[in-house]
Amino acid sequence: DVKVTQSSRYLVKRTGEKVFLECVQDMDHENMFWYRQDPGLGLRLIYFSYDVKMKEKGDIPEGYSVSREKKERFSLILESASTNQTSMYLCASSSGQHRRGNEQFFGPGTRLTVL
Amino acid sequence: GENVEQHPSTLSVQEGDSAVIKCTYSDSASNYFPWYKQELGKRPQLIIDIRSNVGEKKDQRIAVTLNKTAKHFSLHITETQPEDSAVYFCAAIKMNTGFQKLVFGTGTRLLVSP
Repeated sequence: DVKVTQSSRYLVKRTGEKVFLECVQDMDHENMFWYRQDPGLGLRLIYFSYDVKMKEKGDIPEGYSVSREKKERFSLILESASTNQTSMYLCASSSGQHRRGNEQFFGPGTRLTVL
Repeated sequence: GENVEQHPSTLSVQEGDSAVIKCTYSDSASNYFPWYKQELGKRPQLIIDIRSNVGEKKDQRIAVTLNKTAKHFSLHITETQPEDSAVYFCAAIKMNTGFQKLVFGTGTRLLVSP
């Protein structure tokens, strides 16, 4: 079974703080993703990575950065947290192969509140 | 880029009824269409998918249909049960052309009442 874990289920931070969200997968997947989930907006892609040290912007990268130093770990960084970044953050991973059509396996999510 | 629209945003049915969720996509080159289910407080999980070389796929009580000409695809759930209550997301992707990213719809909250 694929296991994707995230460092925190709930996080409360103050405006202007630097925030780190960590994601780890144990299936040797090449691809990793960060989404944010907001009511009525679905899952929006922030950043993704298809290899170690590689990163690509998704649809809403502003205010975020990422780091992938090891294959199993993908970090999302909020350089200076703002209240409009209060959201549910979901990490996902997928194999670079097409055996199952790039099924994405999601982590449990981190609910971030920025005060 | 690809854009996926999903309707309805909420859907309430009685147990035993059928439920249909519809999605349209904009990029005619998209060729893989998965559906994810997210139960309350849990992570999204893939429940069924369809590729562009088939028009319909069925797995027990759920089925997905694809109309490439009209660029829309639908999820059909028959004999709904309370455990089908969840948010369902459709998605589209163009496979086999370099790195691909899924584009998700905005989600449909399905409520099945006993």
